[in-house]
Amino acid sequence: KQEVTQIPAALSVPEGENLVLNCSFTDSAIYNLQWFRQDPGKGLTSLLLIQSSQREQTSGRLNASLDKSSGRSTLYIAASQPGDSATYLCAVRHRGSTLGRLYFGRGTQLTVWP
Amino acid sequence: EAGVTQFPSHSVIEKGQTVTLRCDPISGHDNLYWYRRVMGKEIKFLLHFVKESKQDESGMPNNRFLAERTGGTYSTLKVQPAELEDSGVYFCASSQGVGSSRLDEQFFGPGTRLTVL
Repeated sequence: KQEVTQIPAALSVPEGENLVLNCSFTDSAIYNLQWFRQDPGKGLTSLLLIQSSQREQTSGRLNASLDKSSGRSTLYIAASQPGDSATYLCAVRHRGSTLGRLYFGRGTQLTVWP
Repeated sequence: EAGVTQFPSHSVIEKGQTVTLRCDPISGHDNLYWYRRVMGKEIKFLLHFVKESKQDESGMPNNRFLAERTGGTYSTLKVQPAELEDSGVYFCASSQGVGSSRLDEQFFGPGTRLTVL
């Protein structure tokens, strides 16, 4: 059974800091890994999708890396801003499961203060 | 292009009542998913439609939950009768395809917050 863990559960930093959010999964047999952002009371916004054959993906100030063999992914946020405050979720699509299902971590709640 | 929409945004019902949630996926997306997040837990998969067919319903908690996707467009999730433990946020997602490509990216709706009293 695939289990996804995110560390830390919460993070509070001043504006301008570079951040690293961690995600680990127990079974390395995955198709892909997706990072989401969730604002309070809102849905999930897809940030980055990394295929199992890729090692990283970049979008603006965000960079996600994937080390499938060790079961880890990191989301790097450069020059953090108050608008980055949200909960960040990691989810994997396990190769052994029926098509489509995502396994989620509980998320990292990020607060960036001015 | 419109994203995934869900209705209602909030629903408060009493134990034993029936509630129906609706999801409209992104136009052209054959794959539709239902997920649920209960308080303090991670988001968990409920089921997956490909067009109008149930591809995987192994995450459905019990037979009080019934999902349909008539015509392969919008989907409904009915809970009958509702119990206290059904409270949570129900998310719908859709994707264009399923496989080892970017078509697999899932796009989520805003969720329906269900409270059972």
